[in-house]
Amino acid sequence: AQSVSQHNHHVILSEAASLELGCNYSYGGTVNLFWYVQYPGQHLQLLLKYFSGDPLVKGIKGFEAEFIKSKFSFNLRKPSVQWSDTAEYFCAVVDGSGNTGKLIFGQGTTLQVKP
Amino acid sequence: NAGVTQTPKFQVLKTGQSMTLQCAQDMNHNSMYWYRQDPGMGLRLIYYSASEGTTDKGEVPNGYNVSRLNKREFSLRLESAAPSQTSVYFCASNFLGGKKFFGPGTRLTVL
Repeated sequence: AQSVSQHNHHVILSEAASLELGCNYSYGGTVNLFWYVQYPGQHLQLLLKYFSGDPLVKGIKGFEAEFIKSKFSFNLRKPSVQWSDTAEYFCAVVDGSGNTGKLIFGQGTTLQVKP
Repeated sequence: NAGVTQTPKFQVLKTGQSMTLQCAQDMNHNSMYWYRQDPGMGLRLIYYSASEGTTDKGEVPNGYNVSRLNKREFSLRLESAAPSQTSVYFCASNFLGGKKFFGPGTRLTVL
C-alpha cells in the first residue's frame, strides 16, 4: 500500500524566511498528490494539488510544490513565510487506483513562525 | 451551503460506553470518509463510503462501525469505547477524484 513520509516534524522559522517541507511517497505510477493545512483551531483546508501536467504547482497564499517523479517527492515551498502561516501541514497521496479517492496522509509538520 | 458538518464537537466517554459521531454534507458528494488524527501520526483513514450503499474499511477500522444512512449522512459508531480511541475525528466528502472537503472535527476523550 501507498505510504507518505514527511521528514520535518516541527519547523521553527522567523518571518520572511524561506520554507521547504519535505514529502515522499512510497511507490510510483500515476499519483495524485496534495498538501493540506490546518490552522490552529480550524479544520483542514486544501493548499494545492497535483494530478498531471506541469510538475510545479501553485496553490493558495503563495505556496507552491514541485513534483519530482524520480525522487518520489512532492515538497512544499514558500519564499517568505508570515506569522499567519503558523499551522500544521499535511502531505497526502491518493491510495490505489484512485477510484475511491482514498487519501493517505503523512504524519504532519508543525510550522511555527516567529514574528 | 454548510459544507461538511459534524456533531458533536466535543465528547468525553468512559471506557466501555458507546456513541455515534454524525457527519452530513450538502454538496451532493458521492464519497464520504472518516479519519482520525493523532499527534505524530497524521490522519488515518478509518472507513470510507465510495457511494451510497457501500462502505469499506480503511487503515484502522478495528473498534468502529459505520453507516451510510443516505447520500448526505455517514455516521461512525464506537460500540465499546477504549482509551486508545481518544483522538480527533474528521469526516470528509468529495466527488470522485475531486477536492476533498473536511468537517471541523470531533474531539473525543475516552477515560
